[in-house]
Amino acid sequence: NAGVTQTPKFRVLKTGQSMTLLCAQDMNHEYMYWYRQDPGMGLRLIHYSVGEGTTAKGEVPDGYNVSRLKKQNFLLGLESAAPSQTSVYFCASSGQGATVEEKLFFGSGTQLSVL
Amino acid sequence: TQLLEQSPQFLSIQEGENLTVYCNSSSVFSSLQWYRQEPGEGPVLLVTVVTGGEVKKLKRLTFQFGDARKDSSLHITAAQPGDTGLYLCAGEETSGSRLTFGEGTQLTVNP
Repeated sequence: NAGVTQTPKFRVLKTGQSMTLLCAQDMNHEYMYWYRQDPGMGLRLIHYSVGEGTTAKGEVPDGYNVSRLKKQNFLLGLESAAPSQTSVYFCASSGQGATVEEKLFFGSGTQLSVL
Repeated sequence: TQLLEQSPQFLSIQEGENLTVYCNSSSVFSSLQWYRQEPGEGPVLLVTVVTGGEVKKLKRLTFQFGDARKDSSLHITAAQPGDTGLYLCAGEETSGSRLTFGEGTQLTVNP
């Protein structure tokens, strides 16, 4: 079972460059999330989606954009990368949101460095 | 956003010792989840606690949800090197559909 797949696994950008992180899930989940993980700060929610064609802002949305054109894919875009966006990015999905009956399934992460 | 604080941030112990990790908030959560994360991987769910005062056991791991649903603890008995990892608590916000994560506790169990 593939579960949640993130591409790429590693990326190095120069300040000002743009890129898109791709998240794909094969579990027919409605909810998808993008988190960033920084030392000592746990996981912080960037954007999330409660279904195909929908997106919503999380805790730290500035500098990022997302799109959910297909139910199985959730894209995270950086239009003009900054060193402060150096982080490990995790995508997650769940069937019915973060409720008691559901858990988040995480991808293995993307290590992004912005120089 | 409701905040969760974990303590300690780092913990290094010898195999066979017991330990407790704490997750505290001033806010009430609908439920609380504990995840374990290994290097290079995403977090994996260990348990969900829902009812105030609830205690759940998973082999040598005991999870407790505070009576007021504002805090939780994870107790590991007779820790083993395989328990090494980053332990994260995450609270379901009362508005639903989102989880707030704590900063994590990095546990190292030395042989």
